[in-house]
Amino acid sequence: DTEVTQTPKHLVMGMTNKKSLKCEQHMGHRAMYWYKQKAKKPPELMFVYSYEKLSINESVPSRFSPECPNSSLLNLHLHALQPEDSALYLCASSQEVRGGVAFFGQGTRLTVV
Amino acid sequence: EDKVVQSPLSLVVHEGDTVTLNCSYEVTNFRSLLWYKQEKKAPTFLFMLTSSGIEKKSGRLSSILDKKELSSILNITATQTGDSAIYLCAVVKTGNQFYFGTGTSLTVIP
Repeated sequence: DTEVTQTPKHLVMGMTNKKSLKCEQHMGHRAMYWYKQKAKKPPELMFVYSYEKLSINESVPSRFSPECPNSSLLNLHLHALQPEDSALYLCASSQEVRGGVAFFGQGTRLTVV
Repeated sequence: EDKVVQSPLSLVVHEGDTVTLNCSYEVTNFRSLLWYKQEKKAPTFLFMLTSSGIEKKSGRLSSILDKKELSSILNITATQTGDSAIYLCAVVKTGNQFYFGTGTSLTVIP
C-alpha cells in the first residue's frame, strides 16, 4: 500500500473562514510533508514533519498552521487566507532514512474567494 | 542557495520519438535524486538515484545520475501519447528536504 489520502479533494473558502486540510498514510513513514503547487509550476515545499515534530518551515506565513497529531496524520489549518493562496496543496510521506522516496496524495484544490 | 534546474522547459514530439530530459542541481548535503511524472494531480514516482553511473530502467524509461556533473537525465524511448505529462526531478537533502526542479512539460502528438 503506497497510498497517501488527502481530504477534501476540493475546497472553496472565504478570506475570513477557518478550514483544515487532512492527510493520512499507513505506510509507517515517519516523515510527512506539505507542498503548495500553483498552475504550471513545480511543487514548493512548505513544511516537513519528522517523527511527528516540525523539522522544516520554509518561511510559510502564519495563516498556514501545520499539525501532526500522530504518525499517520498530518493536518494543515487555514485561517484568513488570501486569494493568492489558491493552489493545489499536496501532502507526501517518506521513510525517515537516507532520502527515501516520497509518495504523494492526490492533493486538495483550494480556491480562496 | 540551492538550485534544481530542468531542461528543456517544454518539449513537443511525435509518437515513436526518443526524448532526453535533463536535471542539474546545486545543493548542499545531497542524498538522492528522484524523478516523478505528474499528469493531473499527484506526482507519481519513477526512479530514485543515489549512485553515479548506475542506470535505472523501467520499460521504455531509463535514468542515470552523474554526481561529478551534478546532473541526471531521464530517457524515454518510443514515446506514446500517454507519456504526455510534466516530468519533475527532485533532489533530497539531509533532513528529508525534497526540492523540485522547474519541471519539463512533455507533449507527445500522434
